This record gives sequence, C-alpha cells and structure tokens, in this order.
Amino acid sequence: AAGVIQSPRHLIKEKRETATLKCYPIPRHDTVYWYQQGPGQDPQFLISFYEKMQSDKGSIPDRFSAQQFSDYHSELNMSSLELGDSALYFCASSLQSGQSYNEQFFGPGTRLTVL
Amino acid sequence: AQSVAQPEDQVNVAEGNPLTVKCTYSVSGNPYLFWYVQYPNRGLQFLLKYITGDNLVKGSYGFEAEFNKSQTSFHLKKPSALVSDSALYFCAVRDMTTDSWGKFQFGAGTQVVVTP
Repeated sequence: AAGVIQSPRHLIKEKRETATLKCYPIPRHDTVYWYQQGPGQDPQFLISFYEKMQSDKGSIPDRFSAQQFSDYHSELNMSSLELGDSALYFCASSLQSGQSYNEQFFGPGTRLTVL
Repeated sequence: AQSVAQPEDQVNVAEGNPLTVKCTYSVSGNPYLFWYVQYPNRGLQFLLKYITGDNLVKGSYGFEAEFNKSQTSFHLKKPSALVSDSALYFCAVRDMTTDSWGKFQFGAGTQVVVTP
C-alpha cells in the first residue's frame, strides 16, 4: 500500500539558509499535518491543511511557511535557519472527511541538520 | 486543552514477560486515543486506537490497550514481549475541539527495552 512520502530524507544547511521540505500524502487523503520532533522530544504540531486550505496552526515560527498544492502534496518552507531548527520533521496524512477520528499516517521524516 | 501523559521515561522488561506502557489522558468531551511506535530514525507507526465501544482494543503486532474511563487511562499492553519490541512508544490524543482539525497531542514517549 502507498504510504506518505517525504523528501529529502536528510538535509544539511548552514545558519541563515533556507530549506524546503516536501510531503506527498497517501492518495485520496485530504488532510496533511506537519510535526517537528527535536532530539529526545515528542513530536510537536506545526501546521495542517485540509483540502488545500490551512486548517490549524501550532507552534510554527514566523520564519516557516507551508502550503498544500492542487495535487495535495505539501511543502514546508523554512527561512533564516537557526541551530535550534535541527530536528526530525514529520508529515502525516489523514482522511478527514466523514471520519473525524481516523488515524494519521506518518511519513519517514526529514532529518534537518543546521550547522 | 487535550493532553496525554506518559509517566515512565523507560520501561525495562525481559523477553517473554508481559509489557505495559502507561498513559493517562485529560480531555474535554470524548477521548480519541492512539498509540504509535517509533523505531530509531524511522517515522511513527500506528498501533491501535480507541474511539468508542469495547474498552479492550486490539492492535498490530500483538499489542492491545485498555481504556479505563474512571482512571482516565489508556495503557498499552503485550502479553509476551519480544526483543524486537524495543522502541519508543507514544500515546496520543486527537484534539477534536472546535477549530483544532484533529491535530495530535503526543505524550513525551516511553522507551521500551526488552532484554533477551
């Protein structure tokens, strides 16, 4: 079965650079969530999209932005990177419509290292 | 606010022994509770969920969880642990309050170590 795809899997950037993380949800899933997991921490919700519109916003810095495109893939854009942005970034997808308690399916994550 | 708590940072168990990973929740309204497992450098894998119905929920890889409303708990259990069960386990509650759109609130995670 198709799973959530994230690219790249690993990314190394310098401070103050920009990064773009991509997420391809499971086909027919209508909701995408982004989470940030720091070393030894639980995943923290950043932002979500439902049917290409931002649906909820969590602890996402102003330096970050995201969007969901017409093909439902999503991109997380990160600018002015800081050392503290080094983390594992997960994308998850879910089928929201009609089943509000469906589980979220997580991608393998993108490990971002800021030097 | 919806939240879950995992009181144990680490659980150590010998292979073949029962495994329990604890989780308590605090929600307004009906709780939608989930367990995920994370192996090193991997994404989170869904194990099971409680939405409604039977308090004992059976999931993947022989895991089950017991929902206890009076104790606001949702402990994960496995009758006989395997070395391959060694991983990080997260309890999560789905935030279904108004305007939340179902984001997950995760517990801090419990590292399970199963020794041969």
